Amino acid sequence: DQQVKQNSPSLSVQEGRISILNCDYTNSMFDYFLWYKKYPAEGPTFLISISSIKDKNEDGRFTVFLNKSAKHLSLHIVPSQPGDSAVYFCAASGEETSGSRLTFGEGTQLTVNP
Amino acid sequence: NAGVTQTPKFQVLKTGQSMTLQCAQDMNHNSMYWYRQDPGMGLRLIYYSASEGTTDKGEVPNGYNVSRLNKREFSLRLESAAPSQTSVYFCASRWTGSSYEQYFGPGTRLTVT
Repeated sequence: DQQVKQNSPSLSVQEGRISILNCDYTNSMFDYFLWYKKYPAEGPTFLISISSIKDKNEDGRFTVFLNKSAKHLSLHIVPSQPGDSAVYFCAASGEETSGSRLTFGEGTQLTVNP
Repeated sequence: NAGVTQTPKFQVLKTGQSMTLQCAQDMNHNSMYWYRQDPGMGLRLIYYSASEGTTDKGEVPNGYNVSRLNKREFSLRLESAAPSQTSVYFCASRWTGSSYEQYFGPGTRLTVT
């Protein structure tokens, strides 16, 4: 049972344009959501997060939107840069989750073309 | 401040061999985690330790054991390696507080032949 799902394995965009990465979840107990970025041969690094009490969180070029009724979140990168090319994972957690475990999606490979 | 460190970076094992993956963090974090990453499957939790002295199973614990040696160190042991355990293994740690953010190590690439 995949509780966090990223339906797009890959996304390709032009430099300077917007990148939109999507994530859906099924567990209504999740109340905190995170995005991680991963380069090859490195560990994932934290990018941005959002609490379920908000519907938007912004940090520089990165904005995460949360639609609780649809159980959907998205990551917007504007403008996209070649250095943003990486695998992006969304993750979810909640107070009721033992040990504050994170449940990860499958990941989306973003390629930003110069 | 090295963050989360993992050893070894690469390992090749034959079926049936055993090995221990080491993880250490210097951020004074309470919680530590072991994940495996397989193509198309994201990161799956193997075991975690919410605090020193406790360990719990995650999503895919079969074939693995863990030891929380002290607050800094959390090791993952494969007693009898199988080809299905070929994967990239990541250790992570977290400060127990209001944020759920976990910090990851660089990973260990394990191949079981």
